[in-house]
Amino acid sequence: DGGITQSPKYLFRKEGQNVTLSCEQNLNHDAMYWYRQDPGQGLRLIYYSQIVNDFQKGDIAEGYSVSREKKESFPLTVTSAQKNPTAFYLCASSIGHNEQFFGPGTRLTVL
Amino acid sequence: AQKVTQAQTEISVVEKEDVTLDCVYETRDTTYYLFWYKQPPSGELVFLIRRNSFDEQNEISGRYSWNFQKSTSSFNFTITASQVVDSAVYFCALSEAGQAGTALIFGKGTTLSVSS
Repeated sequence: DGGITQSPKYLFRKEGQNVTLSCEQNLNHDAMYWYRQDPGQGLRLIYYSQIVNDFQKGDIAEGYSVSREKKESFPLTVTSAQKNPTAFYLCASSIGHNEQFFGPGTRLTVL
Repeated sequence: AQKVTQAQTEISVVEKEDVTLDCVYETRDTTYYLFWYKQPPSGELVFLIRRNSFDEQNEISGRYSWNFQKSTSSFNFTITASQVVDSAVYFCALSEAGQAGTALIFGKGTTLSVSS
């Protein structure tokens, strides 16, 4: 079964902590993306990667970091520099401008 | 600058009513792609349709239909004979062929509530 998995489903972070959200795909897609969703705000792009070992900042990259060491994996780290990290995080992948396939999401809450 | 506007924040209908969700986009590219996604309460986005800028044919898929009009920069989505299972947040999105990446620009979404 091809698809995208994200873990964990729920994540709680204390202030000042870094946390890493996992995203894995077995669709053989080159491009991967991280979006953040806040109530009433739609989805906003954090980072994207077109190929392995390369990634680009999106509209709201401050306080986040990513890596793309393998085609299948695109983890997102939410650093302590991100002032308001409580949100729903969605990972996606695609081939070029074809439809993006989304994972089930991770809901991050700052305690 | 590229932008997607979904002016309807929330829509409530009764089952079997038809409902149209509006989407207006802005882009300077002549080649671009438009999408609709559905987000049920579970949170995962479900792909509904992709349309490129050179294909203005309207599309029908079961109870769903899409009306793409370049003259008004609109890509509206109609659900015929709505059902309770259609209750969800619907997003319209845009990607441009000329941009460096292939990321989507999303509208803020329309929450559709269908009551029985």
